[in-house]
Amino acid sequence: LAKTTQPISMDSYEGQEVNITCSHNNIATNDYITWYQQFPSQGPRFIIQGYKTKVTNEVASLFIPADRKSSTLSLPRVSLSDTAVYYCLVGDGNSGGGADGLTFGKGTHLIIQP
Amino acid sequence: DTAVSQTPKYLVTQMGNDKSIKCEQNLGHDTMYWYKQDSKKFLKIMFSYNNKELIINETVPNRFSPKSPDKAHLNLHINSLELGDSAVYFCASSAIVAGGSNEQFFGPGTRLTVL
Repeated sequence: LAKTTQPISMDSYEGQEVNITCSHNNIATNDYITWYQQFPSQGPRFIIQGYKTKVTNEVASLFIPADRKSSTLSLPRVSLSDTAVYYCLVGDGNSGGGADGLTFGKGTHLIIQP
Repeated sequence: DTAVSQTPKYLVTQMGNDKSIKCEQNLGHDTMYWYKQDSKKFLKIMFSYNNKELIINETVPNRFSPKSPDKAHLNLHINSLELGDSAVYFCASSAIVAGGSNEQFFGPGTRLTVL
């Protein structure tokens, strides 16, 4: 079972770049790394997914080193509305692969201050 | 149009009662899930269905029984409700993607309170 470790909470300020790192030492060859965002009283929302190196979309970047034992979600120029819980998941994500890629854990509570 | 919808949004009931939560997705996805998020915000998978077949059942008491009448629906029935069942229940769905991990789309959640 690929487990992930994230900081429980982080603080930052508006306009800053925020990096949240996730450790996944037991990542398997077929596993992808996926990040979700959850606002209070809402369901999680997909942010970004990657397998290796770097992935970028309109919301965030995901940096994955060569050994893939960790990954870093980078949020550029955060705003107050980025205050949320961020979850890192590792797995092949297919139900046939079991619950590995469906374990959200407790996530990282990011608090953005003015 | 809401992609993944759940009803009801709030559910307050007494211990020992039986209740159901309904979930529907209009995304044409093959896979649907139920998650439980407790008061400590830990989000845990309960069930996963693929094309109406149960794929994952993660150490959930037998009092919880998912039912999938068709690909677009996955309902959760809970018998003999207990205080510890109080939580937010999320439904989600995803498509099967070759060479990738499935992006899940979540419903708004159902807050269940057992008194």
